[in-house]
Amino acid sequence: GQQVMQIPQYQHVQEGEDFTTYCNSSTTLSNIQWYKQRPGGHPVFLIQLVKSGEVKKQKRLTFQFGEAKKNSSLHITATQTTDVGTYFCAGGFRGSNYKLTFGKGTLLTVNP
Amino acid sequence: NAGVTQTPKFQVLKTGQSMTLQCAQDMNHEYMSWYRQDPGMGLRLIHYSVGAGITDQGEVPNGYNVSRSTTEDFPLRLLSAAPSQTSVYFCASLDFGGYTFGSGTRLTVV
Repeated sequence: GQQVMQIPQYQHVQEGEDFTTYCNSSTTLSNIQWYKQRPGGHPVFLIQLVKSGEVKKQKRLTFQFGEAKKNSSLHITATQTTDVGTYFCAGGFRGSNYKLTFGKGTLLTVNP
Repeated sequence: NAGVTQTPKFQVLKTGQSMTLQCAQDMNHEYMSWYRQDPGMGLRLIHYSVGAGITDQGEVPNGYNVSRSTTEDFPLRLLSAAPSQTSVYFCASLDFGGYTFGSGTRLTVV
């Protein structure tokens, strides 16, 4: 079936360090979405990328969609303790845009 | 505007029991999904619906049934609970942007 691989599984950083998580699909994606889940909470939508090579920014977060639309990344600059949580990517495949396949997520912990 | 409401928040079942997890949304979204979340497994799609009267299977549908009689409601039924169904269940609805998730149901089957 269609899979979205996400790495790393865990990342521990010191506050102020940068953080990046990566997603990869073996087949072309029609779109990719990113979510954040705080410990004990539910996933919260962050952003959607649709275009090849697209880059979007939200304050300290930068999201990229690869030229081939098979990979994506989320980069956080100068992490803060409020960034703690699990970050998921979710890919939509052609013909099933709304039937998203989630990566397994990257758990980010931040040491103050 | 409550978004997506799930009930109950917690549930303990005995093996073999049946139950229904409720999900309701007030955003008039056509697309709704049920996911289960297990440690290290991410979110896996159980069933989804593209509108009232239309449902389809996701990645892990066995042991679960759904129906969609109205746009607002999308209940998930466990037919005969098994310990392997111990998980956190999330209902979500989708607009042109991303999913809006409910707060989840933490289910334990003993």
